Amino acid sequence: AQKVTQAQTEISVVEKEDVTLDCVYETRDTTYYLFWYKQPPSGELVFLIRRNSFDEQNEISGRYSWNFQKSTSSFNFTITASQVVDSAVYFCALSEMGSGGYNKLIFGAGTRLAVHP
Amino acid sequence: EPEVTQTPSHQVTQMGQEVILRCVPISNHLYFYWYRQILGQKVEFLVSFYNNEISEKSEIFDDQFSVERPDGSNFTLKIRSTKLEDSAMYFCASSELQGKEQFFGPGTRLTVL
Repeated sequence: AQKVTQAQTEISVVEKEDVTLDCVYETRDTTYYLFWYKQPPSGELVFLIRRNSFDEQNEISGRYSWNFQKSTSSFNFTITASQVVDSAVYFCALSEMGSGGYNKLIFGAGTRLAVHP
Repeated sequence: EPEVTQTPSHQVTQMGQEVILRCVPISNHLYFYWYRQILGQKVEFLVSFYNNEISEKSEIFDDQFSVERPDGSNFTLKIRSTKLEDSAMYFCASSELQGKEQFFGPGTRLTVL
């Protein structure tokens, strides 16, 4: 079973549209961490946000917002008024207790977002 | 702003050759990681390293792989005898503490011919 599922493989929007990227995770731990990373065409992985399992408050940072719902094991990411520079692959990731602690990030397959002018 | 650096950016090697990928983590970080991403696929964890030893490794990280922190700044990944399927982008990352955000380097693209 997938630990982190990003069901949307590709999304295409026109500039200024709002877009939501879905992430569903699976863990038996009560303490875990969730992350979003952006991978632009240049290839690097850019950290966007980290959330711990005890903090269900939604977060807003400029045009970005995140909705964490433990009841549905989801951590969705919304970009408001999308711009061409938002075009990238977005990865959701989970960190749960492993043999050496909270070490590895388990990534989803990613969602490729294309924003057209 | 401090960042993780990696060298080289691109490495081409022949099958069976040894390669060493180098990383300089962020200076006050204590946890170091290697991940790989085969073209067009998800990012996969290889190994984590803390206090000069491996703290966790994946099933991908077999006897052909090793990691080392040879001095106070570098963190290396060695692949002893490369295979065609080792061709991928290799990312180094570091974090201040476990569970905290991991900051990634720009990656080394390894091509095995």
